[in-house]
Amino acid sequence: DVQLLETGGDLIQWGGSLRLSCTASGFTFNTYAMSWVRQALGKGLEWVSSISGSGNSTYYADSVTGRFTISRDNSKNTMSLQMNKLRDDDTAVYYCARGGAYSSGWSVWGQGTLVTVSS
Amino acid sequence: DIVMTQSPLSLPVTLGQSASFSCRSSQSLVYSDGNTYLNWFHQGPGQSPRRLIYKVSDRDSGVSGRFSGSGSATDFTLEISRVEAEDVGVYYCMQNTRWPITFGQGTRLEI
Repeated sequence: DVQLLETGGDLIQWGGSLRLSCTASGFTFNTYAMSWVRQALGKGLEWVSSISGSGNSTYYADSVTGRFTISRDNSKNTMSLQMNKLRDDDTAVYYCARGGAYSSGWSVWGQGTLVTVSS
Repeated sequence: DIVMTQSPLSLPVTLGQSASFSCRSSQSLVYSDGNTYLNWFHQGPGQSPRRLIYKVSDRDSGVSGRFSGSGSATDFTLEISRVEAEDVGVYYCMQNTRWPITFGQGTRLEI
């Protein structure tokens, strides 16, 4: 089965740091771009960041640029999101998804992990 | 950034009726390879998003034939024929033609 599993969500203080991970299984991980998408409670979907299959190219939403860093370890089929300087508006469920820009990906999503930033 | 605008925001329907969702982009979504990277997702209550349609009109594997996508350039439509109870939730369009990837605000389907 093709699966994505996010871990790392937690309650964290304003200004703190947190690292999310996404573990993939059931497909050739290094051939797909991967992305993070978040959803605040009761709100819509917001793209956060993407990384190419090789890991050489990364992309960020303006709202997280300079604070979040996306990375991947193709030897371990994992993708990570290092989140620093967390703010109240970073509180959301974070989903990892298989896909990037100009591709037919995005058919595989994880179940999400909740990040709550407390002030 | 490309702005994706969905309408209506809420769509009440009766079981067995059809439903139509609109999505408009602020710029053409035609990519240089000739493809239009416009996707439709359904998010049921408490669930992760599930993609239904990609590249405007291609249906994902396992998606009911009741779902169909159409449109071009900046104007797109998702249609559901014979709405069933399991179709409730929010429907999002998403463009991945250009960075940053952007989603519409969603349309809530209510039975």
